[in-house]
Amino acid sequence: DAKTTQPPSMDCAEGRAANLPCNHSTISGNEYVYWYRQIHSQGPQYIIHGLKNNETNEMASLIITEDRKSSTLILPHATLRDTAVYYCIVRSYGGATNKLIFGTGTLLAVQP
Amino acid sequence: SAVISQKPSRDICQRGTSLTIQCQVDSQVTMMFWYRQQPGQSLTLIATANQGSEATYESGFVIDKFPISRPNLTFSTLTVSNMSPEDSSIYLCSVAGKNSYEQYFGPGTRLTVT
Repeated sequence: DAKTTQPPSMDCAEGRAANLPCNHSTISGNEYVYWYRQIHSQGPQYIIHGLKNNETNEMASLIITEDRKSSTLILPHATLRDTAVYYCIVRSYGGATNKLIFGTGTLLAVQP
Repeated sequence: SAVISQKPSRDICQRGTSLTIQCQVDSQVTMMFWYRQQPGQSLTLIATANQGSEATYESGFVIDKFPISRPNLTFSTLTVSNMSPEDSSIYLCSVAGKNSYEQYFGPGTRLTVT
């Protein structure tokens, strides 16, 4: 699976959009981009995933560049409860193992 | 979504002893995984627990140190054997969701070895 690069930390004002970048320049054609987050002392939580089109759900939006070498997770109206470590993971879909390999992630601190 | 419970939620153990962590899921799942999260670090995959066969271990993890059982599609155990302080971590159970693209995580077991 391709590796990802994320900034170690970011700040965001409460109520504003949080834009979390991720670079995955070695992504291959059958690999998806997944986002998970881990709130302190809890297990990771699935947020969203995508292949090449932009995706949106009730939690966030995922914007993937046309060349698929980078993506941005957008939390449209960040709240204090969104303070967490956000992990961008590239993984091929299906197959025998379906395992997730975590990188170092981005610590998002939402400020009041 | 799958609801995952782990027992114990936390424990303090003496070096040289072993601890077995249980993972129970409220529905049958194909894939179960065990992760370790050392203090201040990201998650590291230990192994994939296979129902009816031996677990598949990641590089750096061995069966003698982390034996895993998976007797059915809703339950798995991870044993941390002959513990040392370096084994102090949070151990998390994870399962692959019904649609395969989503993976759910348990609340974790916080282990401290003294």
